[in-house]
Amino acid sequence: KAGVTQTPRYLIKTRGQQVTLSCSPISGHRSVSWYQQTPGQGLQFLFEYFSETQRNKGNFPGRFSGRQFSNSRSEMNVSTLELGDSALYLCASSWNPGTGANEQYFGPGTRLTVT
Amino acid sequence: DQQVKQNSPSLSVQEGRISILNCDYTNSMFDYFLWYKKYPAEGPTFLISISSIKDKNEDGRFTVFLNKSAKHLSLHIVPSQPGDSAVYFCAASETGNQFYFGTGTSLTVIP
Repeated sequence: KAGVTQTPRYLIKTRGQQVTLSCSPISGHRSVSWYQQTPGQGLQFLFEYFSETQRNKGNFPGRFSGRQFSNSRSEMNVSTLELGDSALYLCASSWNPGTGANEQYFGPGTRLTVT
Repeated sequence: DQQVKQNSPSLSVQEGRISILNCDYTNSMFDYFLWYKKYPAEGPTFLISISSIKDKNEDGRFTVFLNKSAKHLSLHIVPSQPGDSAVYFCAASETGNQFYFGTGTSLTVIP
């Protein structure tokens, strides 16, 4: 079974631009979560999608948004990029966290650098 | 606010000895806990989990202990191997809600 895939793996953008990151979950997984990882901050939860609906949301500004498609693939968009948005963005999929113990499986991440 | 804390940023252990990684949480509603291992340039890899109805879960060299009254969990690795050198994250959630992650502990196993 293929793992979680994320594209692109690396991205360099300029302040003010916008960016879209993509995540394909493990086949059969219906929940996709997004995290931001920065040095010293661990993994900060952005949002979780299940069946094309945002089910949980972290404390990030509205510049961060996402969506999920009917095939469970998910995209994350960041508009008006700031230098502080430079981070590793991780996507994780699980079958359905809402039904009990469900571990999340992570993709390799997209390394975003904002200059 | 950091609901899950890993107060030791780093840990060094001799090969063959026990590694103990600690994690504290503040939300008494958390009922599911996980440990992940992360190598550089890779996403975290699921290691072991425990639900709040248990106080111990074992998988090979890895054992997770949960002390609900102290809101504390720990990961024991016995015996430690050089390949265990990585960053370890603990995570916690209340069923149906988001996972909260600690800031990680970098483990170095010295051959």
